[in-house]
Amino acid sequence: DAGVIQSPRHEVTEMGQEVTLRCKPISGHDYLFWYRQTMMRGLELLIYFNNNVPIDDSGMPEDRFSAKMPNASFSTLKIQPSEPRDSAVYFCASSFVQGTEAFFGQGTRLTVV
Amino acid sequence: AQSVTQPDIHITVSEGASLELRCNYSYGATPYLFWYVQSPGQGLQLLLKYFSGDTLVQGIKGFEAEFKRSQSSFNLRKPSVHWSDAAEYFCAVGDLSGGYNKLIFGAGTRLAVHP
Repeated sequence: DAGVIQSPRHEVTEMGQEVTLRCKPISGHDYLFWYRQTMMRGLELLIYFNNNVPIDDSGMPEDRFSAKMPNASFSTLKIQPSEPRDSAVYFCASSFVQGTEAFFGQGTRLTVV
Repeated sequence: AQSVTQPDIHITVSEGASLELRCNYSYGATPYLFWYVQSPGQGLQLLLKYFSGDTLVQGIKGFEAEFKRSQSSFNLRKPSVHWSDAAEYFCAVGDLSGGYNKLIFGAGTRLAVHP
């Protein structure tokens, strides 16, 4: 397996625009996580899914953020409208059953100008 | 509330020297503990994990960590550091509410290695 695949690797967008980040988890994994990494707040969990169902979205900063997982092999994180303070690296991770390690993608570096 | 503390933001060691990165956690039950490493511009790679059993855990790249319940610690060690070990290291605890896969991370320790 190629691991967790995120796209794009880098995204630069203007304030107010819609941004969509994509993630393909490892085949067979039934947990999917979206994390955000910033200098100020470190690594923080935004939302996670189990078997394509959102379980905990308490980390989503506000209604401008939304995440979907339409099937077991694809998830999106959307920001609409984007703001400069959303600039961060967004990581997707997946894991197989509970109590096992999470595998991380290489992240999407988002810059909102 | 669960939390992870990494007291050292930056550490610099000489190549060949020993290394210990500190990690303290706050968790109400038996914790699932992890150490991840992040190289510049890369994702996080798992070094090792502790779920139960032997409190001394061996990981990849020659790293080990020791779980000490009495001290709520899970310190990472390496006997001889290589220049390629320069990276940022994150300690994390797995939250039961997420099947232990919902990770709460420490702030990270950035390791620099002098030749």
